[in-house]
Amino acid sequence: AQKITQTQPGMFVQEKEAVTLDCTYDTSDQSYGLFWYKQPSSGEMIFLIYQGSYDEQNATEGRYSLNFQKARKSANLVISASQLGDSAMYFCAMTLNSGYSTLTFGKGTMLLVSP
Amino acid sequence: SQTIHQWPATLVQPVGSPLSLECTVEGTSNPNLYWYRQAAGRGLQLLFYSVGIGQISSEVPQNLSASRPQDRQFILSSKKLLLSDSGFYLCAWTAGSGSADTQYFGPGTRLTVL
Repeated sequence: AQKITQTQPGMFVQEKEAVTLDCTYDTSDQSYGLFWYKQPSSGEMIFLIYQGSYDEQNATEGRYSLNFQKARKSANLVISASQLGDSAMYFCAMTLNSGYSTLTFGKGTMLLVSP
Repeated sequence: SQTIHQWPATLVQPVGSPLSLECTVEGTSNPNLYWYRQAAGRGLQLLFYSVGIGQISSEVPQNLSASRPQDRQFILSSKKLLLSDSGFYLCAWTAGSGSADTQYFGPGTRLTVL
C-alpha cells in the first residue's frame, strides 16, 4: 500500500518569501499521480497542483511548483512570493494508476504567513 | 462547469441518533464519488467510493454506510451515531479512474456527536 509522509507539522514564512513544504511517498508501483491540496480554515479542500510519475518536467501552476525527485520519492511543494492568504493547511496526496483513483493523504503541514 | 454540493454544512447530533449526509454533483455524468472523514487536526481518511449507481466500495469497516441512488448523488448514513463519528466529512468526485484524475472536493459537513 502507498504511504505519504509530511514531516513538517508547521512552517512559518514572511510575506513575499518563498517556502518549501516537504512530501515523501512510498509505493512499489511505477505509475502514480501526486497532488497537493490547500485547506484554509473554512475547511474546503482546494486542488493546487498535479504531477504524474512519468512527467519529465516539474509541474507549475502560477506561484506553485512541484519539485519532483523520483529517485528520492519526494514531491515537495514550492510556493513563491508568499501571500497572507496562503496561510492554511497543505496536504500532499497520491493515487495509483492501477484500480480506482483513491487518494492517500499525508497528515498535512500548517503554513503561517506573517506580514 | 462542474460543482459539488454537500448538506448540511454543520450538524450536531446526540449519540445513538441516525445520520444522513448528502452530496450531489452538477455538470458531469457518471462521476466517481468519494466520502472522506477528517478528524480534528488530522489528515483525510477514505470511507467509501462509488464508480456507478448502486456500486459502493468500503475502505474502513465501521457503523457508517453509503448509497448512490442516482448517478450524481452520494449519501452517507448511520443508524446509530457514536462519539467517534464526530469530524469533518468531505465528498469528492473525479471524472475517471486513472492516476491523473484530480479529485475535486465539496465544502464539507462538520458533524459533532454529543
